[in-house]
Amino acid sequence: DAGITQSPRHKVTETGTPVTLRCHQTENHRYMYWYRQDPGHGLRLIHYSYGVKDTDKGEVSDGYSVSRSKTEDFLLTLESATSSQTSVYFCAISDLPTDTQYFGPGTRLTVL
Amino acid sequence: AQSVTQPDIHITVSEGASLELRCNYSYGATPYLFWYVQSPGQGLQLLLKYFSGDTLVQGIKGFEAEFKRSQSSFNLRKPSVHWSDAAEYFCAVGRTSGGGADGLTFGKGTHLIIQP
Repeated sequence: DAGITQSPRHKVTETGTPVTLRCHQTENHRYMYWYRQDPGHGLRLIHYSYGVKDTDKGEVSDGYSVSRSKTEDFLLTLESATSSQTSVYFCAISDLPTDTQYFGPGTRLTVL
Repeated sequence: AQSVTQPDIHITVSEGASLELRCNYSYGATPYLFWYVQSPGQGLQLLLKYFSGDTLVQGIKGFEAEFKRSQSSFNLRKPSVHWSDAAEYFCAVGRTSGGGADGLTFGKGTHLIIQP
């Protein structure tokens, strides 16, 4: 299995609070991705990174920001969490842009 | 933009029977295609992938998939299912143009139920 960890694994927070999710990899892969998974929607891309300090928006980026100051860490921030952001969040990594993506174990976020 | 359709939300199969999960994609060029499996409460595990070459792709756990360009399909098959195959299955497509770095587009998934 690819060396990907996500923290926290579970979080419950209240509407309006900031939340940061962390993805950490030990594979030295250049490309990192954040997806959210919701029933009936599959996985949808939030943001992705193609190198340190290089990030771009995905399909559902509104209300989210990301940062990547080191190759191994990719942070996802909800500046002011809303109930619609209750979801399971997955991080993924790949060595090449068109190569297989390997997924982390996920973070279950509940916004009350 | 590319899209992926998995027409079957749920499929029920008897243990030992054959399985076919359908996947249709929309993309102007030849895409990269993937099948992932997700067990309850778990992350996604790659079953197999198609990048180019032989259109029949073998994967892990006895699964295979066939890329049919004329039908824009990438259906997943297994000749004999086991109770441990019960899971959610996702088909995904990646772009080959623009560097392809902008992530995968997933179908909504097919939930596989195995009957004893």
